[in-house]
Amino acid sequence: QVQLVESGGGVVQPGGSLRLSCAASGFTFSSYGMHWVRQAPGKGLEWVAFIRYDGSNKYYADSVKGRFTISRDNSKNTLYLQMNSLRAEDTAVYYCAKDRGEFDPIDAFDIWGQGTMVTVSS
Amino acid sequence: VIWMTQSPSLLSASTGDRVTISCRMSQGISSYLAWYQQKPGKAPELLIYAASTLQSGVPSRFSGSGSGTDFTLTISCLQSEDFATYYCQQYYSFPRTFGQGTKVEIK
Repeated sequence: QVQLVESGGGVVQPGGSLRLSCAASGFTFSSYGMHWVRQAPGKGLEWVAFIRYDGSNKYYADSVKGRFTISRDNSKNTLYLQMNSLRAEDTAVYYCAKDRGEFDPIDAFDIWGQGTMVTVSS
Repeated sequence: VIWMTQSPSLLSASTGDRVTISCRMSQGISSYLAWYQQKPGKAPELLIYAASTLQSGVPSRFSGSGSGTDFTLTISCLQSEDFATYYCQQYYSFPRTFGQGTKVEIK
């Protein structure tokens, strides 16, 4: 079935780096735009980043611009989020999510992963 | 950036009640609005997209309406499994933004 599985979360010191992965299965990964969304403990949802189906276009939230990089490997059906210069306020569950429509839709997120926890603390 | 005001933040209701959640945009977004349900410890799930289209598998007691700047999610007859937190989201432009969330709790 259609599935997204995140990995790579953990505890990291302020200023450190972490790379998250999101493994996709059950659909043609290379045809869909993908997003990262995060949720701080007890808080609401915050969109983080987007990458176009072919990797040619990327967008970021202001809160992570210049520190986080979204990328994808369509040959491995995997989405990534490289997180550098991490801050305490980056502590959150990070979800990957898939656009509902193929290629370049303006669309909702129809499939979400289970999330991976990132804790930034000394 | 498109700002969203979702209300109420907390809604106390009983099984069988009809409940309504509102979402107001800082600028018009046509019908590029989605609603999600999230239960504790779980990922959000898509309920409605394009303001009023029910996602496959979502019960018909959920409905959405609105366009432009004002949108509503209605649950016609609240069931026990509907006690959760609900978020609106605009996908008209980047950055994508979410409402603050509405927690629907048992009265």
